[in-house]
Amino acid sequence: SSELTQDPAVSVALGQTVRITCQGDSLRSYYASWYQQKPGQAPVLVIYGKNNRPSGIPDRFSGSSSGNTASLTITGAQAEDEADYYCNSRDSSGNHLRVFGGGTKLTVL
Amino acid sequence: QVQLVESGGGLVKPGGSLRLSCAASGFTFSDYYMSWIRQAPGKGLEWVSYISSSSSYTNYADSVKGRFTISRDNAKNSLYLQMNSLRAEDTAVYYCAREAVDIVATFDYWGQGTLVTVSS
Repeated sequence: SSELTQDPAVSVALGQTVRITCQGDSLRSYYASWYQQKPGQAPVLVIYGKNNRPSGIPDRFSGSSSGNTASLTITGAQAEDEADYYCNSRDSSGNHLRVFGGGTKLTVL
Repeated sequence: QVQLVESGGGLVKPGGSLRLSCAASGFTFSDYYMSWIRQAPGKGLEWVSYISSSSSYTNYADSVKGRFTISRDNAKNSLYLQMNSLRAEDTAVYYCAREAVDIVATFDYWGQGTLVTVSS
């Protein structure tokens, strides 16, 4: 079982705003990173740290964190944003492991 | 540009062994922690193992500890995963990923993956 918990599926109307959340004890101490994965492709980093986007990631993607919950927000969702989204961070045991959330399937209606 | 290319996947019987390789280019390989991450068919991502830049530190998920060994050759810009005592539940696409140099546990580049199938 994952130490990071995500909702399995979320939907959003085209052009609207959607928030995808990730919960876990380790998020009280460490930031989450977020990855987008489209079918048949490798994951792509979209958000890391407090709220940083790698080069080439649209600014409609943003991140935030509060307590044990990290959030990925897509403001003005586009059809091409339909994908699986995963959060990850360090584990909460202090053993320096890395963990992923179970993933959220985003559907753009 | 950064490139990570995995190889070595294939079909193996339960109890068998396989060695995965990941060829890195486009960056100073010896400066970065590297990880293996896997994804079973239709399932989510699972971190498997990491190795520090100079091979001083390694770590493994409980699901593979004692069966898998991660290593690297900085002179050859290559990362490896020796997988022994393979089980059906190890069937997955295995990705190698670079860990961002100043942000622990963030994977900024991924390979395209290599498929490992464990079946009799």
